[in-house]
Amino acid sequence: EVQLVQSGAEVKKPGESLKISCKASGYSFSDYWIGWVRQMPGKGLEWMGSFYPGDSETRYSPSFQGQVTLSADKSTSTAHLQWSSLKASDTAIYYCARRGDSTRVNEYWGQGTLVTVSS
Amino acid sequence: DIQMTQSPSTLSASVGDSVTITCRASQTIIDWLAWYQHKPGKAPKLLIYKASSLQSGVPSRFSGSGSGTEFTLTISSLQPDDFATYYCQQYHRPSRTFGQGTKLEIK
Repeated sequence: EVQLVQSGAEVKKPGESLKISCKASGYSFSDYWIGWVRQMPGKGLEWMGSFYPGDSETRYSPSFQGQVTLSADKSTSTAHLQWSSLKASDTAIYYCARRGDSTRVNEYWGQGTLVTVSS
Repeated sequence: DIQMTQSPSTLSASVGDSVTITCRASQTIIDWLAWYQHKPGKAPKLLIYKASSLQSGVPSRFSGSGSGTEFTLTISSLQPDDFATYYCQQYHRPSRTFGQGTKLEIK
């Protein structure tokens, strides 16, 4: 069974760094893109980008290019989303997701990680 | 980036009603469109892929149609569990943009 389990909620101050994680199980981690989606408070879903663990290819939405870094650790089947300097506007729920074999779209989702950035 | 525009932003309906949500793409996406249902505190749930294919386990009262730049999601005979926010997403291009969402409320 495909499962994506995300790390717990974080409370950070502006300017701090952060790395959140998405641990995958039930499939060959290297063979599937992992996507990340943001939901700011009271707002809609935004596609941030995707990472392919097999060769580390990364695709960013233009809105998030340079703002975040996607990565993965194949040894632990874990994908990461990180910030070097958080802003209050990074406060949001972040989801990781994986496509289905036949659907080709985000069929499997993590439970979401709430990131709160406040002074 | 391909822009996705959903309408309406909010929709009020009653149990048993049939509703339709529209999604327009800024350029052709052929039929590479998905629909998701999202409830607070939960992960989004895939309902429809490739514009009209029903995801396994999703009730048949959900249906999708369209191609090119115009797409619709129809929910017939609304059930209490259907009141949620619905999003379209294009996956024709690597930057997989979402529509802004349609909140379906109980009238």
